[in-house]
Amino acid sequence: GNSVTQMEGPVTLSEEAFLTINCTYTATGYPSLFWYVQYPGEGLQLLLKATKADDKGSNKGFEATYRKETTSFHLEKGSVQVSDSAVYFCALVFPGFQKLVFGTGTRLLVSP
Amino acid sequence: ETGVTQTPRHLVMGMTNKKSLKCEQHLGHNAMYWYKQSAKKPLELMFVYSLEERVENNSVPSRFSPECPNSSHLFLHLHTLQPEDSALYLCASGILESYEQYFGPGTRLTVT
Repeated sequence: GNSVTQMEGPVTLSEEAFLTINCTYTATGYPSLFWYVQYPGEGLQLLLKATKADDKGSNKGFEATYRKETTSFHLEKGSVQVSDSAVYFCALVFPGFQKLVFGTGTRLLVSP
Repeated sequence: ETGVTQTPRHLVMGMTNKKSLKCEQHLGHNAMYWYKQSAKKPLELMFVYSLEERVENNSVPSRFSPECPNSSHLFLHLHTLQPEDSALYLCASGILESYEQYFGPGTRLTVT
């Protein structure tokens, strides 16, 4: 079946550090890929997306590239801020099905 | 208020109680979703409604009963729940032809 695997957290960084959160997927075919973010006490928000191989999604300084050869969609940011502390979810969907498949989430803690 | 709203934000109920969760969206979307978020588990899709018709039910126990009276409102009726049903219940809305879903803040449910 289709699934998403994320690195277990929490990921603890100091402000201005470089961030990588790994995400790999298992799927038959070529899904669209997403990163969602959940800030404390809030619902999930779409952070970025990529719909085909080699696409790069970006938003708010975060980036992720759809790598078909490694079935990965790692999230990166060059310089994190305290306000980036949240839980990050990797997800996939197949066009026409509308069923998002989520990873377990990775908690990011950024200290001043 | 814009976006997706959920009430109540917190709910504590006994195993013999009957309660309902409410979700409302003001985004003009034609699909609504219920998810269950438990600690250290991927988000679980429970129900999908498109144009007020249920299009997916992911083998959810009958003690959870959804209702979608119109395209803006979605309910989850709860009865005779178990302690393992304690979780964050998230509502989302979206457009079926699109990949993106917009989430509410969730209802934190505790079953005692």
